[in-house]
Amino acid sequence: DGGITQSPKYLFRKEGQNVTLSCEQNLNHDAMYWYRQDPGQGLRLIYYSQIVNDFQKGDIAEGYSVSREKKESFPLTVTSAQKNPTAFYLCASSPARGTEAFFGQGTRLTVV
Amino acid sequence: KQEVTQIPAALSVPEGENLVLNCSFTDSAIYNLQWFRQDPGKGLTSLLLIQSSQREQTSGRLNASLDKSSGRSTLYIAASQPGDSATYLCAVNMVTGGGNKLTFGTGTQLKVEL
Repeated sequence: DGGITQSPKYLFRKEGQNVTLSCEQNLNHDAMYWYRQDPGQGLRLIYYSQIVNDFQKGDIAEGYSVSREKKESFPLTVTSAQKNPTAFYLCASSPARGTEAFFGQGTRLTVV
Repeated sequence: KQEVTQIPAALSVPEGENLVLNCSFTDSAIYNLQWFRQDPGKGLTSLLLIQSSQREQTSGRLNASLDKSSGRSTLYIAASQPGDSATYLCAVNMVTGGGNKLTFGTGTQLKVEL
């Protein structure tokens, strides 16, 4: 089946650790995105990528990093510099700018 | 800066009722608007996409309208069912900037009761 796969579904991070969230798509979409969702707030854009080996910061990029070495993969690393990383993280993709966006099932990250 | 507001924040209706969810945005220079559904602890499911040149889109019991000049969109759900219970999110895609930089509202949490 075509779609966007995020893993793991749940992730626990200790203070000071970096963790990486995986996002893979087999939809052959050019663009991929990472959003963060907090209770009572709308989704906020962290990073996005239009093509392989290129990505741009979104509205809340501080404390996060990404790579886009392959078209189908867009991993997100939550670094120790992110002071409040506990949230629900959603990955999305779209064929091109201005087209319909599709989302994965999310990863819930908790700092312990 | 684009701001998206959804009213009401929560809604509870009896099964079978027709209902309207509202979405308003402050900057009318949008590329398109997308409605999503989110079940608890899950990702977003795309329901309808309306391009800025369109007035409405329909899918089954769902009908979404767009009035770009007034900065409003509505999602109409006909003959609501308990399975429609979820949070509904609208998102606008701006003309400026690269990519689908969707700006989301905070959603309307819908409960359809038997």
